[in-house]
Amino acid sequence: ETGVTQTPRHLVMGMTNKKSLKCEQHLGHNAMYWYKQSAKKPLELMFVYSLEERVENNSVPSRFSPECPNSSHLFLHLHTLQPEDSALYLCASSQSGRYGYTFGSGTRLTVV
Amino acid sequence: KNEVEQSPQNLTAQEGEFITINCSYSVGISALHWLQQHPGGGIVSLFMLSSGKKKHGRLIATINIQEKHSSLHITASHPRDSAVYICAVLGNNNDMRFGAGTRLTVKP
Repeated sequence: ETGVTQTPRHLVMGMTNKKSLKCEQHLGHNAMYWYKQSAKKPLELMFVYSLEERVENNSVPSRFSPECPNSSHLFLHLHTLQPEDSALYLCASSQSGRYGYTFGSGTRLTVV
Repeated sequence: KNEVEQSPQNLTAQEGEFITINCSYSVGISALHWLQQHPGGGIVSLFMLSSGKKKHGRLIATINIQEKHSSLHITASHPRDSAVYICAVLGNNNDMRFGAGTRLTVKP
């Protein structure tokens, strides 16, 4: 365990479903991130929250909706996804981006 | 072109071999990370370095800031070292940029 917990580990959803990914950290970090990892591609930054405020939205389609209710929790709400959204979604946290990031184990999402 | 390039993309070795994975980057950085990702998906930080060399067990990481290049070495490789190794650079704005990873398979 790295200190960043993601649930669920695996998720299969239809294109008309609504689901949410959850990330939790109790490391005292003040920044949290959502990354998408597709096969053979670098990690793609999706969203950054710093002190519970969204500071970066990296041109992500609106079918992905993040929520950060407090500094320890981060959600990614999913609706009307496409098959090409199937990927590993990784959550990370850091202390103001310094000293690197701590990653969760990821959620493997399959859209059918 | 990605700002962080790794080579090789894939690497297969026999147990016991010495392994080198390379990383070149084209942006200014404050630090460079080597990460390990096992098949389950979770990512673990192996090293963070901003100059010189670091060693942890059988793993050695070096960085040359002037040449914008880093290497990760594994001595006496073992099948449990099989994983994807990712080079990531921490930019001067504390933003992280990632290489595409090197998939290492160590055969017994």
